[in-house]
Amino acid sequence: DAGITQSPRHKVTETGTPVTLRCHQTENHRYMYWYRQDPGHGLRLIHYSYGVKDTDKGEVSDGYSVSRSKTEDFLLTLESATSSQTSVYFCAISERTGRSKNIQYFGAGTRLSVL
Amino acid sequence: QQQVKQSPQSLIVQKGGISIINCAYENTAFDYFPWYQQFPGKGPALLIAIRPDVSEKKEGRFTISFNKSAKQFSLHIMDSQPGDSATYFCAARNPHNTNAGKSTFGDGTTLTVKP
Repeated sequence: DAGITQSPRHKVTETGTPVTLRCHQTENHRYMYWYRQDPGHGLRLIHYSYGVKDTDKGEVSDGYSVSRSKTEDFLLTLESATSSQTSVYFCAISERTGRSKNIQYFGAGTRLSVL
Repeated sequence: QQQVKQSPQSLIVQKGGISIINCAYENTAFDYFPWYQQFPGKGPALLIAIRPDVSEKKEGRFTISFNKSAKQFSLHIMDSQPGDSATYFCAARNPHNTNAGKSTFGDGTTLTVKP
């Protein structure tokens, strides 16, 4: 999975608890992304980062925050988990955004269940 | 507004047959169209990609056909094999998104190739 490690791989938590998912890369890629994948919705972008401490919202950012203090780590936090946030979360990285390069490399995913 | 519409949602093909997955987009600013393949329990991985100045791209049994005037592109899998059974996502990149070449994904097609 292109030098991307997501942790944990599986997590079960209770409604109202905070949850942090971690994405760690060894590729030194500038861009990092968090997606959620739900049946019938494909991959939806939550937040992304274009550099250390530089982040921006995606299309489904409500209820999520992110931080990137180092090039290699991108954290996704659910401040107060809700059942609607039960999903599979994928981290992705990309190196360049030039016209011919937007290959995104994905991690193996984190399956989160909020009870 | 869904910017990339993918069909069908699921597809069943006999071994040796041709699998065809279609995507349509609205935003003429999109400049890069990758297809990703995802096996169960894994993250998506780039399969093949095309730029809009090319009408067709072939890599082995996989071909992308691109119709710029119709704003449609499709993935053809020739001689489909059981090992091709996976979920396929089309995507489109908008180079004008600030700070990152964000891609918009279709909802995915689950392909089953029967032996």
